[in-house]
Amino acid sequence: SAVISQKPSRDICQRGTSLTIQCQVDSQVTMMFWYRQQPGQSLTLIATANQGSEATYESGFVIDKFPISRPNLTFSTLTVSNMSPEDSSIYLCSVEGDRPYEQYFGPGTRLTVT
Amino acid sequence: QKEVEQDPGPLSVPEGAIVSLNCTYSNSAFQYFMWYRQYSRKGPELLMYTYSSGNKEDGRFTAQVDKSSKYISLFIRDSQPSDSATYLCAMSDDYKLSFGAGTTVTVRA
Repeated sequence: SAVISQKPSRDICQRGTSLTIQCQVDSQVTMMFWYRQQPGQSLTLIATANQGSEATYESGFVIDKFPISRPNLTFSTLTVSNMSPEDSSIYLCSVEGDRPYEQYFGPGTRLTVT
Repeated sequence: QKEVEQDPGPLSVPEGAIVSLNCTYSNSAFQYFMWYRQYSRKGPELLMYTYSSGNKEDGRFTAQVDKSSKYISLFIRDSQPSDSATYLCAMSDDYKLSFGAGTTVTVRA
């Protein structure tokens, strides 16, 4: 199984600012995923990031708000731009496993916007 | 209507009890059915999976899938305080996963 780390683990940010979250994997993977986990709600996929191509965003999420970079097979970043209190959430990255249903998750970044 | 429905609980049981968790779904294309466990301040980890309909047992854990009813279940036998966590059901028909909201379970010693 892959070992995934995220930075920062938590942050408190001011409204209108941006935060970049980093995701590092200990092995090379093709597909990386970014999720949002809000209290009492389902883990929601923001986008899928493949190395060497533009990220694919899910309905309700746009690149201007959540730009993603995927410079190599072990690293990705998610930026939460022009933040508002509604962006307060846990953001998780994950990577594909060996089987279609398998994903390994990072520990998450707990974001609070004031 | 959400694609995957899961009662968020919370659920509190005494040690040794059987924990029963379930989810319903609407997308008949789902073929893979999973349960993830998430401890506080950690990411979800895959606990069990089932392909199509049927049962699967792994130690104290049993996963059941009834595709005709679009209903999946997870049973935890002889529950332990270490089983206290949030359990999320997840489903997919390809590489993308659709999650339930998660059920928070507390096992009291």
